[in-house]
Amino acid sequence: ETGVTQTPRHLVMGMTNKKSLKCEQHLGHNAMYWYKQSAKKPLELMFVYNFKEQTENNSVPSRFSPECPNSSHLFLHLHTLQPEDSALYLCASSPKGYMELDTQYFGPGTRLTVL
Amino acid sequence: AQSVSQHNHHVILSEAASLELGCNYSYGGTVNLFWYVQYPGQHLQLLLKYFSGDPLVKGIKGFEAEFIKSKFSFNLRKPSVQWSDTAEYFCAVNPILTGGGNKLTFGTGTQLKVEL
Repeated sequence: ETGVTQTPRHLVMGMTNKKSLKCEQHLGHNAMYWYKQSAKKPLELMFVYNFKEQTENNSVPSRFSPECPNSSHLFLHLHTLQPEDSALYLCASSPKGYMELDTQYFGPGTRLTVL
Repeated sequence: AQSVSQHNHHVILSEAASLELGCNYSYGGTVNLFWYVQYPGQHLQLLLKYFSGDPLVKGIKGFEAEFIKSKFSFNLRKPSVQWSDTAEYFCAVNPILTGGGNKLTFGTGTQLKVEL
């Protein structure tokens, strides 16, 4: 248990659906991250929020839309996804902010299946 | 772009056997290095990390890793594995770049199965 929680843990959605993934940390961390973990591929960084401001978008398609309303919560809004977007989506946070090199703490992930 | 190579994708060992998992990275400058572990059904958790100092790093659960700068390697070792070490192991690198940020590049992972 790292103190980073994610909901839901599993999600099945159709290509026309709209859904959101939620990440929460009450560790007082200042940077939050979204990663995609696909089978047989390395974890891919998607987005970074530093002190609630988006600082990285790793060429992610616009059908993924992140939101960071406060320093403890991070969302990933999903719409018109494709079957190849099926993956494990991981949230992470780090204590001092994105510009400070430090350990990232990961949540358990949301297993997303797009039909 | 940086890359991280974990050459062993699947490793099967008997209990009490010694373990060494390879990790090589491509970045030529200063790096921070990590090993994360993901037990079945659980989240990624930090096993150990190297930022500076002694290149032999000790982590949790008897694991250690050695940073060899000349070989761009950060191999993970454990002298005697247990059944409970069955998990997927990920090496990650954070190159230290001016203005670069806390950006991890992960390897594809090594699935370790320890048999009784």
